[in-house]
Amino acid sequence: NAGVTQTPKFQVLKTGQSMTLQCAQDMNHNSMYWYRQDPGMGLRLIYYSASEGTTDKGEVPNGYNVSRLNKREFSLRLESAAPSQTSVYFCASSWDRDQPQHFGDGTRLSIL
Amino acid sequence: AQTVTQSQPEMSVQEAETVTLSCTYDTSESDYYLFWYKQPPSRQMILVIRQEAYKQQNATENRFSVNFQKAAKSFSLKISDSQLGDAAMYFCAYMRGGTSYGKLTFGQGTILTVHP
Repeated sequence: NAGVTQTPKFQVLKTGQSMTLQCAQDMNHNSMYWYRQDPGMGLRLIYYSASEGTTDKGEVPNGYNVSRLNKREFSLRLESAAPSQTSVYFCASSWDRDQPQHFGDGTRLSIL
Repeated sequence: AQTVTQSQPEMSVQEAETVTLSCTYDTSESDYYLFWYKQPPSRQMILVIRQEAYKQQNATENRFSVNFQKAAKSFSLKISDSQLGDAAMYFCAYMRGGTSYGKLTFGQGTILTVHP
């Protein structure tokens, strides 16, 4: 069972470059989420999509954009990467907004 | 804004013994959910246990149980008969109900070490 799949697993960017992180789930979940994890700060919600066709800002949306391409896929885009965006990024999905979230394995992103 | 605080950056336990991880949260809401997630070195986030605020009974899941004190806004995780595979970072998380469903707020995490 694949669950939530994130690509790539690792990426190094230069400041100012753009990048799209991909996320796909095969559990027919309605809701999808993007988090970032920084040392000592736990996970913080960037954006979420309660259902196909809708997206909403989370706690730390600045510098990011998202696209809910279809029910399976939810991408996160950095238009102009900054060193402050160096982090581990997690995608998650849930059957509905009040149900437990299932996480992908994360993408480690370094911006030089 | 809701906040979640885990006051123990690190904890350790001997194999087969019991350990309790602490979590407090701040909210003015009555409808919410609380979670414990485990993150082993593999980095995968694994749901350990879930508690609905309207339920007075403490949630249990095999060797994992919680002590939910709603008035005190406390949500601790007890791990019984600790195993080497329990070693991980543990995160407490809060989710408000109603229209804010889905927005998880995480604590800073507690690193649990299990000694053989």
